[in-house]
Amino acid sequence: DIQMTQSPSSLSASVGDRVTITCRASQGIRNDLGWYQQKPGKAPKRLIYAASSLQSGVPSRFSGSISGTEFTLTISSLQPEDFATYYCLQHNSYPWTFGQGTKVEIK
Amino acid sequence: EVQLVESGGGLVQPGGSLRLSCAASGFTLSSYWMHWVRQAPGKGLVWVSRVDSDGSDTTYADSVKGRFTIFRDNAKNTMYLQMNSLRAEDTAVYYCARLGGHDPSDYWGQGTLVTVSS
Repeated sequence: DIQMTQSPSSLSASVGDRVTITCRASQGIRNDLGWYQQKPGKAPKRLIYAASSLQSGVPSRFSGSISGTEFTLTISSLQPEDFATYYCLQHNSYPWTFGQGTKVEIK
Repeated sequence: EVQLVESGGGLVQPGGSLRLSCAASGFTLSSYWMHWVRQAPGKGLVWVSRVDSDGSDTTYADSVKGRFTIFRDNAKNTMYLQMNSLRAEDTAVYYCARLGGHDPSDYWGQGTLVTVSS
């Protein structure tokens, strides 16, 4: 199975900060990765697909990048509505696997 | 508008069974592979199972293999998850999802809570 190691598990940041979240795959997965945002009591919402493509309707402050087996989600200027938990999901091979999640909290 | 609505969750004793349903609307279910994802209280997301468009091919997480069965009735635009031999660790919110992969569209239901407890 492919393991997705996501870091950090949590972070505190202020409105306007630049935030970076990383997922590292245990083996090559090409660009078969998406990023999701989840707010309490709600279903996850995809932000990024194919590692770096912005989901329709998602603000451009969200971006994704890939370097080998390391994937990065960047929020260029954190907004109040961005405080949530973020997950990566690899869909290269079954079983599909999520990262452990990163909780973004208000500093 | 695409909608996925789960039902069938509830309280069940260890060793018991439950069948979840996922009713799809706003798109033709038979055109898409579908998935179940679960989330234990306060924990992260875990992929559970998927079924291909006509129901002929399925895949499961090791943790549910042999106990859960995913299937679909495209004529009813509904997908199912039959859960047998339930354990306390199966307690979670179960989401049905049309996971996009490389497709730009990606949809989730609102989830249904399954609690396994005596």
